[in-house]
Amino acid sequence: GEDVEQSLFLSVREGDSSVINCTYTDSSSTYLYWYKQEPGAGLQLLTYIFSNMDMKQDQRLTVLLNKKDKHLSLRIADTQTGDSAIYFCAETGGYGGATNKLIFGTGTLLAVQP
Amino acid sequence: EADIYQTPRYLVIGTGKKITLECSQTMGHDKMYWYQQDPGMELHLIHYSYGVNSTEKGDLSSESTVSRIRTEHFPLTLESARPSHTSQYLCASSEGRSVQYFGAGTRLSVL
Repeated sequence: GEDVEQSLFLSVREGDSSVINCTYTDSSSTYLYWYKQEPGAGLQLLTYIFSNMDMKQDQRLTVLLNKKDKHLSLRIADTQTGDSAIYFCAETGGYGGATNKLIFGTGTLLAVQP
Repeated sequence: EADIYQTPRYLVIGTGKKITLECSQTMGHDKMYWYQQDPGMELHLIHYSYGVNSTEKGDLSSESTVSRIRTEHFPLTLESARPSHTSQYLCASSEGRSVQYFGAGTRLSVL
């Protein structure tokens, strides 16, 4: 079945770049997403990329997609303490295409040290 | 900024009570979803709707039920709450197959 995997934890110093990685199994994914969840809150859409793109940049965020390796990454430049949160990778699988359901990774906890 | 609202934000309730979690969106989106997020952080789809009078079960089996009588409203009901229902419930909506926007979630604790 469809599966999305992420590392569970990343710790960086304030001002450094953070790179959060994600791998997925469904080669027919249409969209791939990054969501941010702060403690006690819902999911905030950070950015997304169409499956026919390799890269997308939005201010401090850069998304890289390697379709051959089914690998997605999120780079946060100049990481701030306010970036501390859980980051979820998600994809709309081909099977889920009609429903548009999201398949989520387990989430990566980003801890930013001052 | 997404216009999707969930109430209540927090709910503590005793076993056996009937509860309804509300979700409303003002964007006119046709599709709506309920996800359950367990303490281990993983999210799983429990219900979705293509539009009015359409409801389907998701990947994760759930004892909850949903209804979609109006486009903007997608409430979730538990007839008899149990401690195993303790979780965070997240509602989302999308226009067709485009981006899903999430509400702030309802954190449910059943004692």
